[in-house]
Amino acid sequence: EPEVTQTPSHQVTQMGQEVILRCVPISNHLYFYWYRQILGQKVEFLVSFYNNEISEKSEIFDDQFSVERPDGSNFTLKIRSTKLEDSAMYFCASRGGDGITDTQYFGPGTRLTVL
Amino acid sequence: KQEVTQIPAALSVPEGENLVLNCSFTDSAIYNLQWFRQDPGKGLTSLLLIQSSQREQTSGRLNASLDKSSGRSTLYIAASQPGDSATYLCAVRQTGANNLFFGTGTRLTVIP
Repeated sequence: EPEVTQTPSHQVTQMGQEVILRCVPISNHLYFYWYRQILGQKVEFLVSFYNNEISEKSEIFDDQFSVERPDGSNFTLKIRSTKLEDSAMYFCASRGGDGITDTQYFGPGTRLTVL
Repeated sequence: KQEVTQIPAALSVPEGENLVLNCSFTDSAIYNLQWFRQDPGKGLTSLLLIQSSQREQTSGRLNASLDKSSGRSTLYIAASQPGDSATYLCAVRQTGANNLFFGTGTRLTVIP
């Protein structure tokens, strides 16, 4: 069964450093998402991406964050200058957008630890 | 802004029991509702999706219902097993939006 994959599974970085989290959505899906979950808190929406541009973003997704689909398979989230409060589990998700299925499929997550 | 709440926060049941998990949302203008399972330190596994026009969906021992007008959904798990132990999350997608609003989750423990 097709699945969303994410790398790395765990990333440790120093405050102020840039990080790039990578995702490979399910092939032939058209909508891509990033969510995050701070330990013990709700899963929160960050950004959605469709047709090579951001379609929606939350208040959390400020100028520190950017997303890119550099090729036909990868979808990345970049945090320019990490802060302690960016420590969280980051989930990538994708959705078909074919009008048949609306299910969002999530990857296993990348645990980001900012020291 | 949509708020999604799940009660109870934690539930412990003996193996074999049937159980119900609750989800409530404040804005009834939803497009669909999805139930997920999350194992500790892991990703989210989609269990069921109910469109706003539907009343229920079933998959194996799982049955999810939706009452949009009252802002409620329930997930019914029949004949619970220790392997069902996990956190269950509900998430709603608003009409006209793309993203999901998640609930706080119910941590389920099924005791052998």
